[in-house]
Amino acid sequence: DAGVIQSPRHEVTEMGQEVTLRCKPISGHNSLFWYRQTMMRGLELLIYFNNNVPIDDSGMPEDRFSAKMPNASFSTLKIQPSEPRDSAVYFCASRGLATNEKLFFGSGTQLSVL
Amino acid sequence: SQQGEEDPQALSIQEGENATMNCSYKTSINNLQWYRQNSGRGLVHLILIRSNEREKHSGRLRVTLDTSKKSSSLLITASRAADTASYFCATDAGFGGGTSYGKLTFGQGTILTVHP
Repeated sequence: DAGVIQSPRHEVTEMGQEVTLRCKPISGHNSLFWYRQTMMRGLELLIYFNNNVPIDDSGMPEDRFSAKMPNASFSTLKIQPSEPRDSAVYFCASRGLATNEKLFFGSGTQLSVL
Repeated sequence: SQQGEEDPQALSIQEGENATMNCSYKTSINNLQWYRQNSGRGLVHLILIRSNEREKHSGRLRVTLDTSKKSSSLLITASRAADTASYFCATDAGFGGGTSYGKLTFGQGTILTVHP
């Protein structure tokens, strides 16, 4: 299995631009999580989906952030417009019924907003 | 705010010594998990302990859970330089109906450095 696949690995953009982060969960997993990691705030849960349905998006910072999961094998996290304070590492993670509730993380997307 | 809070924030030891990290949390949980993160990488699951368990072992790892004190500890015995990483506890408060597919909330982590 290829694991959780995130793209791009690195993203550098200018303030005001739209940023789209992508995630392919492990095949067969039915829960998907988006986290953001910074030195100041640690790992913050932004949103998670069960069976493609958003369950809790209370961690999404503001309306500039949106996440979708159109099918079981793909999710996007979009920031529009981006701001320098959005600079962070964004992780996607998935888990399934057979994985004993543990999360499998992708390698993350390092986002820098200039 | 973070559900789990690790203590200490940083720990520096020599190879062969034991490393103990603690985690405290605020609300009831279904299970508690420990993860490891090497610099620049994603987190990797280490061990899970359920709310009705008190202690669990996996190789050189030993985890304890005290639900009355809302705390957990992770012990790494006979540490190696390769154990150098950040360690996070994560709490799963469940999702109702007896399932645990709720959100996993992570603490700030403990940075462990093991000197050869």
